[in-house]
Amino acid sequence: AQTIHQWPVAEIKAVGSPLSLGCTIKGKSSPNLYWYWQATGGTLQQLFYSITVGQVESVVQLNLSASRPKDDQFILSTEKLLLSHSGFYLCASGTGDERLFFGHGTKLSVL
Amino acid sequence: SQWGEENLQALSIQEGEDVTMNCSYKTYTTVVQWYRQKSGKGPAQLILIRSNEREKRSGRLRATLDTSSQSSSLSITGTLATDTAVYFCATTNYNVLYFGSGTKLTVEP
Repeated sequence: AQTIHQWPVAEIKAVGSPLSLGCTIKGKSSPNLYWYWQATGGTLQQLFYSITVGQVESVVQLNLSASRPKDDQFILSTEKLLLSHSGFYLCASGTGDERLFFGHGTKLSVL
Repeated sequence: SQWGEENLQALSIQEGEDVTMNCSYKTYTTVVQWYRQKSGKGPAQLILIRSNEREKRSGRLRATLDTSSQSSSLSITGTLATDTAVYFCATTNYNVLYFGSGTKLTVEP
């Protein structure tokens, strides 16, 4: 069974500071990977998806970027955080028309 | 937006009651998925229903899909306190999974 590990579990960051969130998938080779953002009490918004190493597609522009440096790793980052970046970030693996498996998420507070 | 109803709905019921949650979508899809998200956790898929299926059951869950009205429902029979969560429906379009606004279900023991 595949497992998704996200790090860190939670972050408190200052506006204007950089951010890097990570996700590692185990138990699945060449997975499709996704990043989602969820505002407190809100729905999930897909940010990026990646079908293969080195290739990332952007779904919405939130002044964030993503990279896939390894088959089992997906990174979300920005050089300058905004207040609006606060929320819950979820990494997922799978196929959109079958099933997505989600990690436990990273709670980000930007102050 | 992919969805007709954008506001998070909230339902509060007693354990043992049955409940039905609805969602409607605007664009064509061949698959509707229902996910459950417990507080502070990532969502987990409950059931997937395809456009050639009108109804799908899994344990205490029953999903329906009406492609003519572009709507889907999720019913839970004999609710338990552990069913307390936010329930989302989701549709897919070209590698993007769109989630609805969700229904916050509270089941009181």
